[in-house]
Amino acid sequence: AQKVTQAQTEISVVEKEDVTLDCVYETRDTTYYLFWYKQPPSGELVFLIRRNSFDEQNEISGRYSWNFQKSTSSFNFTITASQVVDSAVYFCALSGDTGGFKTIFGAGTRLFVKA
Amino acid sequence: NAGVTQTPKFQVLKTGQSMTLQCAQDMNHEYMSWYRQDPGMGLRLIHYSVGAGITDQGEVPNGYNVSRSTTEDFPLRLLSAAPSQTSVYFCASSFRGAPNQPQHFGDGTRLSIL
Repeated sequence: AQKVTQAQTEISVVEKEDVTLDCVYETRDTTYYLFWYKQPPSGELVFLIRRNSFDEQNEISGRYSWNFQKSTSSFNFTITASQVVDSAVYFCALSGDTGGFKTIFGAGTRLFVKA
Repeated sequence: NAGVTQTPKFQVLKTGQSMTLQCAQDMNHEYMSWYRQDPGMGLRLIHYSVGAGITDQGEVPNGYNVSRSTTEDFPLRLLSAAPSQTSVYFCASSFRGAPNQPQHFGDGTRLSIL
């Protein structure tokens, strides 16, 4: 069975602080994909990044970076120099090569960035 | 392109009433799914479909029915609404041919069962 755990329910930081959102996953699939989505207060779900199980290269996109480690089954997300606009709920998700690649989401981490 | 369109955006039902939440996509995506979002629970998969005529259960299918007669449409039916089904419902779609592609989400339907 697939499972995604986001142990941090809420995180509060002050603007310009760095913050890391944790994601731990479980799967028996050989081929799988990991995603991060952002849900701002307006409610829509915005795709941020995807990683496949064969690509452990870390990625940086502006202030965002992602650390994928198969050895610890983790796919953590770091925001550098956080801004108030980063305040949102962030979801980690997993899709595997069985079950038609259905996607399972974690419970989400609510990030508050204070000015 | 409209993307994924969900209707209605808001709905209030009485316990025991039935209702269909509509979802349509115009991107020719094979894969479509329904999620419900509840506080502290994240997004939980209700049902999904990998193509017309094919549906399967997700994590929380009880109380919901789906069908997929066309590629474009994937309606979610509540046969006898219960207060526990009060939630925000999201429909999503993606191109199954490239499974690493992200899902495209609709704007959600906020459903209250009294």
